[in-house]
Amino acid sequence: RKEVEQDPGPFNVPEGATVAFNCTYSNSASQSFFWYRQDCRKEPKLLMSVYSSGNEDGRFTAQLNRASQYISLLIRDSKLSDSATYLCVVRSTGFQKLVFGTGTRLLVSP
Amino acid sequence: GAVVSQHPSWVICKSGTSVKIECRSLDFQATTMFWYRQFPKQSLMLMATSNEGSKATYEQGVEKDKFLINHASLTLSTLTVTSAHPEDSSFYICSARDQGGDEKLFFGSGTQLSVL
Repeated sequence: RKEVEQDPGPFNVPEGATVAFNCTYSNSASQSFFWYRQDCRKEPKLLMSVYSSGNEDGRFTAQLNRASQYISLLIRDSKLSDSATYLCVVRSTGFQKLVFGTGTRLLVSP
Repeated sequence: GAVVSQHPSWVICKSGTSVKIECRSLDFQATTMFWYRQFPKQSLMLMATSNEGSKATYEQGVEKDKFLINHASLTLSTLTVTSAHPEDSSFYICSARDQGGDEKLFFGSGTQLSVL
């Protein structure tokens, strides 16, 4: 079983739609969680950290369920510019390295 | 914000040659840098952790004699792919952590290596 699992997609949605991505992680000792965005052949860029209480940044909402070892990202009012691959990233306590999911590809169409 | 510069961004080489990729932290010191590899439609896979002034720590399955890492200063780490073969063709990305910063990592722009 992969340490971080995501549905690879692609998710094809029209502009203005709401879309949600899910991610599960296998290491219960994981302490830090992030969503990164990666455009084709570019470096990943931090979208937002994920906190136990859930957090929101504009159109983006991230939630963490430690009991189910599950992370989600919700994008409201999708824009064409949101088209990218969204990477779920996890880090365990005491380790500096991050473990990346395979990413979920989002395609927003006019 | 913090910037990590990675060079070159694209390299094409013949099989059997060696390729060096540089990763520099431009406005902060990084005692630790990370090297990742990403094959098409796959996730970033950590290859090794580069430690300034000491030997790199390689992940399981990564050949340390093939992927030479040197972290001689607090702002520069290099990855050398020795005797490159077509199967080494991939997207290589470095990241660095600000020594005095938070848990965020800053990524280089990546190097697309194509071995003919």
